[in-house]
Amino acid sequence: AQKVTQAQTEISVVEKEDVTLDCVYETRDTTYYLFWYKQPPSGELVFLIRRNSFDEQNEISGRYSWNFQKSTSSFNFTITASQVVDSAVYFCALNFVSGGFKTIFGAGTRLFVKA
Amino acid sequence: GAVVSQHPSRVICKSGTSVKIECRSLDFQATTMFWYRQFPKQSLMLMATSNEGSKATYEQGVEKDKFLINHASLTLSTLTVTSAHPEDSSFYICSARGELTEAFFGQGTRLTVV
Repeated sequence: AQKVTQAQTEISVVEKEDVTLDCVYETRDTTYYLFWYKQPPSGELVFLIRRNSFDEQNEISGRYSWNFQKSTSSFNFTITASQVVDSAVYFCALNFVSGGFKTIFGAGTRLFVKA
Repeated sequence: GAVVSQHPSRVICKSGTSVKIECRSLDFQATTMFWYRQFPKQSLMLMATSNEGSKATYEQGVEKDKFLINHASLTLSTLTVTSAHPEDSSFYICSARGELTEAFFGQGTRLTVV
């Protein structure tokens, strides 16, 4: 089965704290893609990162970093020194070949960053 | 990245009427388009997959006659919600992919049926 699990429903932090959003996925495919999207209150989906199954290199982009570990089927997302503007719902998603490249989303994690 | 434009961004319609939502790929040819629905405070659920020139493939539980999908060209897919009712009020979002494996998302359409 293809599945994405985001066990954290809501996280609340104070500004400048670091926060990690967890994502665990399941797939039988050997070729697949993992994504993180941000959905602010306005509703649009903002693309953050894409990672293919053959590239386990971690990535850092400013305050954002991602840890991809195939051994544990996890693709965690860390925000360093969080800011109020980071408040949003964050979705982890899986795109897989056998599904015709359709995207399956996790339930989302709602992040509240308080000033 | 590639641009997918969705229109309208918001629409309010009366119960019993139909409403059409457009999804356009602006700078690439979209061989496949996907339509998702998102209820408040929930995740995005795939409704259907459409390939250009073919009938859409609907996910289990999605009413084909209620949600009509047309993908007549490589740059345009439409979703028509027929005989809309208040329970159809939701956020609808499309994504499109072409030669690249990645799918790009539109901005979404918030439908309110009154």
